[in-house]
Amino acid sequence: LAKTTQPISMDSYEGQEVNITCSHNNIATNDYITWYQQFPSQGPRFIIQGYKTKVTNEVASLFIPADRKSSTLSLPRVSLSDTAVYYCLVGVRAGTASKLTFGTGTRLQVTL
Amino acid sequence: DAGVTQSPTHLIKTRGQQVTLRCSPKSGHDTVSWYQQALGQGPQFIFQYYEEEERQRGNFPDRFSGHQFPNYSSELNVNALLLGDSALYLCASSPRLQGSSTDTQYFGPGTRLTVL
Repeated sequence: LAKTTQPISMDSYEGQEVNITCSHNNIATNDYITWYQQFPSQGPRFIIQGYKTKVTNEVASLFIPADRKSSTLSLPRVSLSDTAVYYCLVGVRAGTASKLTFGTGTRLQVTL
Repeated sequence: DAGVTQSPTHLIKTRGQQVTLRCSPKSGHDTVSWYQQALGQGPQFIFQYYEEEERQRGNFPDRFSGHQFPNYSSELNVNALLLGDSALYLCASSPRLQGSSTDTQYFGPGTRLTVL
């Protein structure tokens, strides 16, 4: 199965906008793209989910191009408490089925 | 409204033993998925249960098995434990609204399994 890849790490200053991209070339046709935030020794926390184009909620935006082979999570005005690991979750084509696959994860470090 | 709950929170076993982990889904959710997360790694999908049947399975050996009960709660069983099974085991529940395996999943806090 093709890997679902993300940048290993990103650094940002407080108050800046952060964009994290996930590459998922083999995404299943009917499956959604979901992003999660995870702190050490905790379960992943839901951030946002989309199928195509742009989705926005109170904490983030999700941009998905027409071919759906990638997605970008946008965090506006990050704060120190946004320091965490961010994962995308997609269904990856596996024959006639799809396999739930997390991205490789991006460690975001926010500093003053 | 309780979220996803898992028990126990921590567990220590020795090689060759068997372990059972438990998960209660969020109220209104009928689909349960299990994941293994090794230290410093992303979660790896084990399997998903819906209507008391395994609907989808990741690349895990038959030592990993599960069950879903009529009240939608679920168990993960691991037989013949190996040192490499040490990990955080995560349970996620979702409502099967869209008929997709990627219907929004909400995760529990996990069970930390240590195999000595």
